[in-house]
Amino acid sequence: DIQIAQFPSSLSASVGDRVTITCRASQNIGSYLNWYQQKPGRAPKVLIFAASTLESGVPSRFAGSGSGTDFTLTISSLQPEDFATYHCQQSYRAPYTFGLGTDLMIK
Amino acid sequence: QVQLQESGPGLVKPSETLSLSCSVSGDAISDYSWMWMRQSPGKGLEWIGSIYNTGSADYNPSLKSRVTISVVTSKNQFSLDVTSVTTADTAIYYCARGVTSGPYGYFDLWGRGTLVIVSS
Repeated sequence: DIQIAQFPSSLSASVGDRVTITCRASQNIGSYLNWYQQKPGRAPKVLIFAASTLESGVPSRFAGSGSGTDFTLTISSLQPEDFATYHCQQSYRAPYTFGLGTDLMIK
Repeated sequence: QVQLQESGPGLVKPSETLSLSCSVSGDAISDYSWMWMRQSPGKGLEWIGSIYNTGSADYNPSLKSRVTISVVTSKNQFSLDVTSVTTADTAIYYCARGVTSGPYGYFDLWGRGTLVIVSS
């Protein structure tokens, strides 16, 4: 299976901050990396697919980058509604695997 | 607006079969691929398996011998069966829709999830 390491596991930040979350795959997965946002009690919502493509309706302050094994999700200016858990997921090969998630909390 | 809704028992006894359904509203189930995921307490999301619009299915090897995903087209539903459950199967179970953009696949719509507890 392709393992996905995600870090940090938690992060405290303030409204207006720029934050970066990283995922590292155990092998080259090209651009087959997706990012999801999950709020408590809610279903995950896709933010970015194919490493850097913004899903329709997602604010432009979210950006994804990377290819191969190293990927980042950047939120350029945190808004109150962005405090949530973020998951990355590889879609290169089944079994499709996720990182353990990053809890983004208000400082 | 397409919506997914999971349903099924919230409590299952060890060694029994966990059975869930996902109702799809707002679109034809035959046009897409469909997935089940789960999230155990304190753990990350886990892909359980997929059923494709070709009718074929794919399962996580960690669960493969115990899992069946099937589609009931007439009801616009798909289902998940997990046999011989243990407490390790306690989780929130999500159904989701799989889509592709060129060669890239992702899960664009999810149900709200249903908690299943395995306990005697």
